[in-house]
Amino acid sequence: QQKVQQSPESLSVPEGGMASFNCTSSDRNFQYFWWYRQHSGEGPKALMSIFSDGDKKEGRFTAHLNKASLHVSLHIRDSQPSDSALYFCAASSSNTDKVVFGTGTRLQVSP
Amino acid sequence: EAAVTQSPRNKVAVTGGKVTLSCNQTNNHNNMYWYRQDTGHGLRLIHYSYGAGSTEKGDIPDGYKASRPSQENFSLILELATPSQTSVYFCASGGDRASNQAPLFGEGTRLSVL
Repeated sequence: QQKVQQSPESLSVPEGGMASFNCTSSDRNFQYFWWYRQHSGEGPKALMSIFSDGDKKEGRFTAHLNKASLHVSLHIRDSQPSDSALYFCAASSSNTDKVVFGTGTRLQVSP
Repeated sequence: EAAVTQSPRNKVAVTGGKVTLSCNQTNNHNNMYWYRQDTGHGLRLIHYSYGAGSTEKGDIPDGYKASRPSQENFSLILELATPSQTSVYFCASGGDRASNQAPLFGEGTRLSVL
């Protein structure tokens, strides 16, 4: 019943490179999106939110949302080894605070 | 500082036994959530709550019950634990869209059902 699909499943980039993650929703009611990062042995931690169409930039992180195509993405520029983690997108609909998560993308940044 | 505290952090249970996982938040958040995390499935929503006395079914509620006796506490109950419920369980609070409040997670409970 996963309504938020993530790709790729895993990603490997060199230090200083660009990492990109994608999420597609199958539910047009999903209007609110968050990106999370989870390091091994820890709980997920929110990176940023995006609720409006277009780009949102916070430091090295840029999120993009296209509600018409139900697509949200996250880009990390100048990737660092400390960015190696599991990344999730999360979505909530316009009429409920139920929050569902994607399947995750594992990022490995090599020095 | 906002925090979500889960207990226990690790639990070994026997098949058919009763397991209660506890979650406490001091953030005065109305919404609370229980997820389980398994490789290949990401975080799947089991139950959630809008406030004291309320519980709602998530996407995978079968075999689980939830209880929200107060604003601060939200429990997940496995009445008859099965090996398929072996997983890492996360509690979260927040998720209020109106205030751009991302769910805040605890550190997780690792449950093994033997």
